[in-house]
Amino acid sequence: EPEVTQTPSHQVTQMGQEVILRCVPISNHLYFYWYRQILGQKVEFLVSFYNNEISEKSEIFDDQFSVERPDGSNFTLKIRSTKLEDSAMYFCASSTDRDTEAFFGQGTRLTVV
Amino acid sequence: ELKVEQNPLFLSMQEGKNYTIYCNYSTTSDRLYWYRQDPGKSLESLFVLLSNGAVKQEGRLMASLDTKARLSTLHITAAVHDLSATYFCAPRGGADGLTFGKGTHLIIQP
Repeated sequence: EPEVTQTPSHQVTQMGQEVILRCVPISNHLYFYWYRQILGQKVEFLVSFYNNEISEKSEIFDDQFSVERPDGSNFTLKIRSTKLEDSAMYFCASSTDRDTEAFFGQGTRLTVV
Repeated sequence: ELKVEQNPLFLSMQEGKNYTIYCNYSTTSDRLYWYRQDPGKSLESLFVLLSNGAVKQEGRLMASLDTKARLSTLHITAAVHDLSATYFCAPRGGADGLTFGKGTHLIIQP
């Protein structure tokens, strides 16, 4: 069964460093998303991406964040200068279109120290 | 801004019992999803509800949507241990992104 895959599963980084979280969406999907979940809290929408551009972004997705689809398969989230409060589980998701269910990856646990 | 309230946030119940999780949301939404999350795992889509009065059932779970009341329910019938998980409702308020509730942490004891 097709699935969304994310790498790495766990990343530890020092405050102020840049991190890139990687995702391979399901191959025939056209919409891609990033969500995050701070430990023990609710899942929060960060950004959606369609047709090689950001479709929607939340208030959380400030200038420190960027997304890219560098090739035909990967979808990345970059955090330029990490802060302690960026520590969270980051989920990538994809869907065939904006009106169908999104399938989530296993997540990358980002720990900023 | 769309706000989502789920209750209860924690629920411990015995196998064989029935219970309902409630999800209230504050503004118009064109669809609502229910997701399940096992500890340390990803989110698994359970249901998508698209219209007023929509009801969907899968096994011991049944979800419904009342768009006029801005209320969705997830009903568990004759609970079994395997249903222990955290359940999130997530209406879509914006163009694409879902707004998740805080989740209901469900423990079903033998």
